[in-house]
Amino acid sequence: QKEVEQDPGPLSVPEGAIVSLNCTYSNSAFQYFMWYRQYSRKGPELLMYTYSSGNKEDGRFTAQVDKSSKYISLFIRDSQPSDSATYLCAMSRTGGFKTIFGAGTRLFVKA
Amino acid sequence: ETGVTQTPRHLVMGMTNKKSLKCEQHLGHNAMYWYKQSAKKPLELMFVYNFKEQTENNSVPSRFSPECPNSSHLFLHLHTLQPEDSALYLCASSQDTSFQETQYFGPGTRLLVL
Repeated sequence: QKEVEQDPGPLSVPEGAIVSLNCTYSNSAFQYFMWYRQYSRKGPELLMYTYSSGNKEDGRFTAQVDKSSKYISLFIRDSQPSDSATYLCAMSRTGGFKTIFGAGTRLFVKA
Repeated sequence: ETGVTQTPRHLVMGMTNKKSLKCEQHLGHNAMYWYKQSAKKPLELMFVYNFKEQTENNSVPSRFSPECPNSSHLFLHLHTLQPEDSALYLCASSQDTSFQETQYFGPGTRLLVL
């Protein structure tokens, strides 16, 4: 079983839609949960991270962590064509252990 | 220059060549990372340096050789690579390895091995 599972997509939505991106994981020791956005031919860009369970909001983006289900989500409200990118989830824990990344979900937002 | 920079952005090399990738971070961080990104696969951690000391070598073949002369610079020396080594090589940095939740990535070097 992979440590982190992420649906590769592609996911295609119309402009203005609410987008839900998800990852599941198997290691209950993970404490930090990150979302990165990667545009074509660019490096990943950190969008936001959360510690432990709960929600975190930043503008149109909301990250949600459910540790009991080992499930994390990123919601994008009022999606824009500029949100078209690959979204990577990632997880880590204290102690210098390596960060584990999902394979990424490709998102297309159509104008 | 701001953030994390990488050179070259693109590289084509034969299997017998020797080349080097360079990464520089302008964030005052103490940890630097090399990752390999292949199509539709998760990022693969290759090497980690913390305060110039290598702390992780993730079973990387010896044809990849890292060098970290100071906390701001990281190199990846390449020799006798294989076609399956073609990928995007990403450098990242963080405050130190205790703060991996805030890693900042460079734009990557797109490597093609012929």
